[in-house]
Amino acid sequence: KQEVTQIPAALSVPEGENLVLNCSFTDSAIYNLQWFRQDPGKGLTSLLLIQSSQREQTSGRLNASLDKSSGRSTLYIAASQPGDSATYLCAATRTGTASKLTFGTGTRLQVTL
Amino acid sequence: NAGVTQTPKFQVLKTGQSMTLQCAQDMNHNSMYWYRQDPGMGLRLIYYSASEGTTDKGEVPNGYNVSRLNKREFSLRLESAAPSQTSVYFCASSAYRGPDIQYFGAGTRLSVL
Repeated sequence: KQEVTQIPAALSVPEGENLVLNCSFTDSAIYNLQWFRQDPGKGLTSLLLIQSSQREQTSGRLNASLDKSSGRSTLYIAASQPGDSATYLCAATRTGTASKLTFGTGTRLQVTL
Repeated sequence: NAGVTQTPKFQVLKTGQSMTLQCAQDMNHNSMYWYRQDPGMGLRLIYYSASEGTTDKGEVPNGYNVSRLNKREFSLRLESAAPSQTSVYFCASSAYRGPDIQYFGAGTRLSVL
């Protein structure tokens, strides 16, 4: 059974700092890995999706990497801003499971002025 | 740009009552999903529908039923609500072709007293 872990559970950084969020998974037979953002009281918004054949994806100030052999993915946020404050969730899809996502419990990020 | 629409947004039930959570998507997606989100547990898949006319159990299906009414709509029914079903429920959809990004609704906050 796939287990997804995100550490730390919460993180506070000053504005402008570069930061890395970590995601680890136990089953390397993943089809893809997705990073989501969740604002308080809201639904999830997809940020980046990395296919199993890819090593990384970039969107603006965000860069996500995937290392299947070590069971890890990282989300790099450059030049953080207060608007980046949210909970970030990673989720893995196992090969052959029709997009059934297994979620981590998330990292709650606060970017302070 | 409606995307995924869930109704109602909030609901309070008494133990034993029944209700149906509605979900509709306007993106012509093939696949739809129901998740629940509980503190410290992350999101867990309740049921999913890979395509119109099919439904399958996810990780936590007990106490729920689903109906894929047509390609647009996927409903979740609680036949006899229990306090353990107090949660935030999210519906999602995906194209299930190519990079299979899931798009989420805003959620339904359900309390069972």
